Amino acid sequence: DAKTTQPPSMDCAEGRAANLPCNHSTISGNEYVYWYRQIHSQGPQYIIHGLKNNETNEMASLIITEDRKSSTLILPHATLRDTAVYYCIVRPKRGSQGNLIFGKGIKLSVKP
Amino acid sequence: EAGVAQSPRYKIIEKRQSVAFWCNPISGHATLYWYQQILGQGPKLLIQFQNNGVVDDSQLPKDRFSAERLKGVDSTLKIQPAKLEDSAVYLCASNTGGTRSYEQYFGPGTRLTVT
Repeated sequence: DAKTTQPPSMDCAEGRAANLPCNHSTISGNEYVYWYRQIHSQGPQYIIHGLKNNETNEMASLIITEDRKSSTLILPHATLRDTAVYYCIVRPKRGSQGNLIFGKGIKLSVKP
Repeated sequence: EAGVAQSPRYKIIEKRQSVAFWCNPISGHATLYWYQQILGQGPKLLIQFQNNGVVDDSQLPKDRFSAERLKGVDSTLKIQPAKLEDSAVYLCASNTGGTRSYEQYFGPGTRLTVT
């Protein structure tokens, strides 16, 4: 079973920031938080990952709380093409132990 | 670079028939995965290969599903005989393994409908 909890869906206005929450209260010390997204009729796509520090790349920012029990994926300026299901996953970073276990994710709808 | 290729993209079969899916991973990727994604759910890992050896097939229903990765490159996933509950999208993914094993590259998937 997935170790994360996400709301089933959320809406965001085009051009605004999309803040996608994720709860992972049972995360272990060696587990990282990963985010993937799946656009309709495509395979999932890796977005970003982090351990305890905030991370940013060209796609998004990841904010992890100090106790590491929750995190937020931020899309700073959402576009219609960001409409997708976003999956929050926790697993150890190294090796194949704890392979990617996808929950149902959160369906983000970006509206014009 | 070319992405993960899968074929066919769509397949419709009747229950009790057999079906095979093909995957060509990104060149140089030693690790290959097959996932099953039922409508409304996230992908579920069926089997993981490292080169041509099986690393994890604990979720593969071995009475009807089989997979192989001959020569450590292309892979095929077979279902025989198919059941109605096998209707799903079958996704193939690959990566280099090792320290970046979390970053998997997915193909577009094969949508299977069993009637």
